[in-house]
Amino acid sequence: SQQGEEDPQALSIQEGENATMNCSYKTSINNLQWYRQNSGRGLVHLILIRSNEREKHSGRLRVTLDTSKKSSSLLITASRAADTASYFCATDGSQGAQKLVFGQGTRLTINP
Amino acid sequence: SAVISQKPSRDICQRGTSLTIQCQVDSQVTMMFWYRQQPGQSLTLIATANQGSEATYESGFVIDKFPISRPNLTFSTLTVSNMSPEDSSIYLCSVDPAGRTEAFFGQGTRLTVV
Repeated sequence: SQQGEEDPQALSIQEGENATMNCSYKTSINNLQWYRQNSGRGLVHLILIRSNEREKHSGRLRVTLDTSKKSSSLLITASRAADTASYFCATDGSQGAQKLVFGQGTRLTINP
Repeated sequence: SAVISQKPSRDICQRGTSLTIQCQVDSQVTMMFWYRQQPGQSLTLIATANQGSEATYESGFVIDKFPISRPNLTFSTLTVSNMSPEDSSIYLCSVDPAGRTEAFFGQGTRLTVV
């Protein structure tokens, strides 16, 4: 399988600081996506980056993708208390969003 | 986008019993997906539910333990059968509507087996 691995497993920072989370995967992908999960609830899609893209921005989010290293990073700038959540990367194969394979996740805590 | 209603949101069940989780989507979708998230862990795909055919199960998951129904293009159920404490997890349904590459998730069912 192409199980992703994320690091760090947990990250605690002060409000206003930037948070960076990393994700690695094992096999070729079409897309890599990042999702957020608040308190064990449903996942919310944050951003998608295609395999032919290297960087993408959405508001305070910046995602990079290095297919040669099979890795991606998610940067959240100017963090807020409401950003406290678990963040997961997810990869797919040739079938679009079907059968996503999720990384282990990073638990992010923003301290006021 | 797709709005997914999943219920129950949580339940505490006795071992040996079964629980059926429902997932309702506000639009027709070809495939629906069921995931399990064990405490402190990531999501693992249980099975893909196709309308009009048997669900496709991932390695480590079997139909006798996790029977799935998909009676139409907007609804699916997952049953957790003969539960044991090891089945305590969050169960999530998901869809990826046609033409969209991101997946949409229900709010999850937090199951505790005692």
